[in-house]
Amino acid sequence: AQSVTQLGSHVSVSEGALVLLRCNYSSSVPPYLFWYVQYPNQGLQLLLKYTSAATLVKGINGFEAEFKKSETSFHLTKPSAHMSDAAEYFCAVRKAAGNKLTFGGGTRVLVKP
Amino acid sequence: NAGVTQTPKFQVLKTGQSMTLQCAQDMNHEYMSWYRQDPGMGLRLIHYSVGAGITDQGEVPNGYNVSRSTTEDFPLRLLSAAPSQTSVYFCASSYPHVSGAYNEQFFGPGTRLTVL
Repeated sequence: AQSVTQLGSHVSVSEGALVLLRCNYSSSVPPYLFWYVQYPNQGLQLLLKYTSAATLVKGINGFEAEFKKSETSFHLTKPSAHMSDAAEYFCAVRKAAGNKLTFGGGTRVLVKP
Repeated sequence: NAGVTQTPKFQVLKTGQSMTLQCAQDMNHEYMSWYRQDPGMGLRLIHYSVGAGITDQGEVPNGYNVSRSTTEDFPLRLLSAAPSQTSVYFCASSYPHVSGAYNEQFFGPGTRLTVL
């Protein structure tokens, strides 16, 4: 069975500082990997996806993530945090076949002025 | 397009009551699913459907029923609500999987359910 681990349920960053959210997955075959963002009282919105085309994936709002097969990781970064980045972020994995997503526990980001 | 819509937005039930959470999508997506979101546990799959008339269980199906009579609608039924079902429920939809292709899942705004 696939699993996803997000290190740190809460992350606090200063405005303008680097945002780094960690995600590790377990899968016997290269999966499809995703990052979703959830703003307060809203549904989930896709930030970016890895589908084996390129290991460095750029998403919306200045976020990017790098797939590292040797480390089974898919960490999310943004060079400079903005107040509007305050949200909860979820890493998810999907097998190459099928539509079912497995989510990590989520990381809530607080941005300090 | 309205995308994925869910009703109600909030609901409070007493233990043992029944209710149906509604989900509809207007994107002609064949794949639909229900998740529950609990603190620290991310989203967990309850039930899913790959098309009208076809449903299957996800990771946490106990206490929930689903049916899919049309492509557009995928209601989730709680037959006898329990406090453990207090959660936020999300419906999602996408095109069916095609080998080698990626199909984004679109999420509804959620239903916040409290069972007393």
